[in-house]
Amino acid sequence: AQSVSQHNHHVILSEAASLELGCNYSYGGTVNLFWYVQYPGQHLQLLLKYFSGDPLVKGIKGFEAEFIKSKFSFNLRKPSVQWSDTAEYFCAVNANSNDYKLSFGAGTTVTVRA
Amino acid sequence: DSGVTQTPKHLITATGQRVTLRCSPRSGDLSVYWYQQSLDQGLQFLIQYYNGEERAKGNILERFSAQQFPDLHSELNLSSLELGDSALYFCASSGDRGPDGYTFGSGTRLTVV
Repeated sequence: AQSVSQHNHHVILSEAASLELGCNYSYGGTVNLFWYVQYPGQHLQLLLKYFSGDPLVKGIKGFEAEFIKSKFSFNLRKPSVQWSDTAEYFCAVNANSNDYKLSFGAGTTVTVRA
Repeated sequence: DSGVTQTPKHLITATGQRVTLRCSPRSGDLSVYWYQQSLDQGLQFLIQYYNGEERAKGNILERFSAQQFPDLHSELNLSSLELGDSALYFCASSGDRGPDGYTFGSGTRLTVV
C-alpha cells in the first residue's frame, strides 16, 4: 500500500544541535514532496517543497531537505535548532497530478530545550 | 491569518448528534480539502471539492458528507457521532497551482462526549 513513513515519533534536543528528520514514501512514479510544520495551537504551515530540479531544497526558517529518488526519501535538516523550532513536523506527498490531495506521515514532535 | 477560515473553532457535542463544520477558502481558490487529525490516525485526507464538484475521496466514513457551495465555501457534515470522531478537522484550499498553493485553516476541534 502507498504510504508515507516518518521514522521518529519524538525528538528531543538542545538548542544549537543539528536536526534531521527522516521521511520515506512508497509511491511509484512522479511525486511532489512537502514538509509542513505545526506550532502548538496553530495551523499547518509549509516549510518547503520539492517538485523537480535540484534535489536539495531550501525552505523557510533555515530548514532544508534532500530528495533521494533511489531511496524514496525526503529528509528534513536544520544545522542549528532554536527553542522556537519546537513543533510537530509532517512530511507529505502528492502522488496524483489530477488531484492535489496530500498524504501525510504520522508526524514527528520536536522538542528543543533551551 | 492564513486566509482560510474555519468555524467554529471548538465544538463539544454528545454521541449520536450531528454537526456541521464550515470552511471558507482563500480568495480565488477553487479547491477545498478536508482532513481529520487524530492522535491514533494522524492526518487523514477525507475529501476534496473543486468548484462545487467532488474531485477526490479519501478515508471518509459514510456518516460523513461534504459539499461545496456556489460561493465556494464548504461544509463538512458529521452525523451519528461517536467518541472516536473526536479530532481536529482541518480545511485547506488551493488554486490551480495545485499543492504549491495549499493553505490550511486553523481547524475545528470536535469533542464528542
